[in-house]
Amino acid sequence: DQQVKQNSPSLSVQEGRISILNCDYTNSMFDYFLWYKKYPAEGPTFLISISSIKDKNEDGRFTVFLNKSAKHLSLHIVPSQPGDSAVYFCAALNSGGSNYKLTFGKGTLLTVNP
Amino acid sequence: DAGITQSPRHKVTETGTPVTLRCHQTENHRYMYWYRQDPGHGLRLIHYSYGVKDTDKGEVSDGYSVSRSKTEDFLLTLESATSSQTSVYFCAIQPSGGNIQYFGAGTRLSVL
Repeated sequence: DQQVKQNSPSLSVQEGRISILNCDYTNSMFDYFLWYKKYPAEGPTFLISISSIKDKNEDGRFTVFLNKSAKHLSLHIVPSQPGDSAVYFCAALNSGGSNYKLTFGKGTLLTVNP
Repeated sequence: DAGITQSPRHKVTETGTPVTLRCHQTENHRYMYWYRQDPGHGLRLIHYSYGVKDTDKGEVSDGYSVSRSKTEDFLLTLESATSSQTSVYFCAIQPSGGNIQYFGAGTRLSVL
């Protein structure tokens, strides 16, 4: 049973436009959500996160939106740049649980075309 | 750089041979994790550790064992490698009091 779903395996956008990456979750105990970016041959790097007490968190060009009632979050990148081309993983956590185990989605490959 | 070193970075081995991957951290974090990444599966947790000699299974632990005899080192062992264990393996640490995990650069393992 996949608790964190990224239903779009890939996304292609033009440079300068907005990229929107989506993520859905099923476990109501998740209360903290993270986005990681991964380049080929490198480890995932933390990008941005959001707690369930918020519905938006912004960091520069990156904004994460959380809709708890729909169990949906999205990552917005504005404006998109070619260097943003990477695989993006959504992850979720029950921060009240033990051992801080993250549950990851399968990832979305973002390609930003010049 | 979260002070995580994975070794080796690449390894090719034969089916049935034992393999040990090492994760070394420099900052004495309590929590350490091993994941594998495969196309179409994202990142899946193999085993994790919450202290020296304290380890537990993740969602894909069959065929793997781990050991943590020192805070700084977390070892992943494939007792008898199989082709299905061909993958990229990532180690991660989590600083206490936070919710963010930081990853190493990965080990690409090929089992022929």
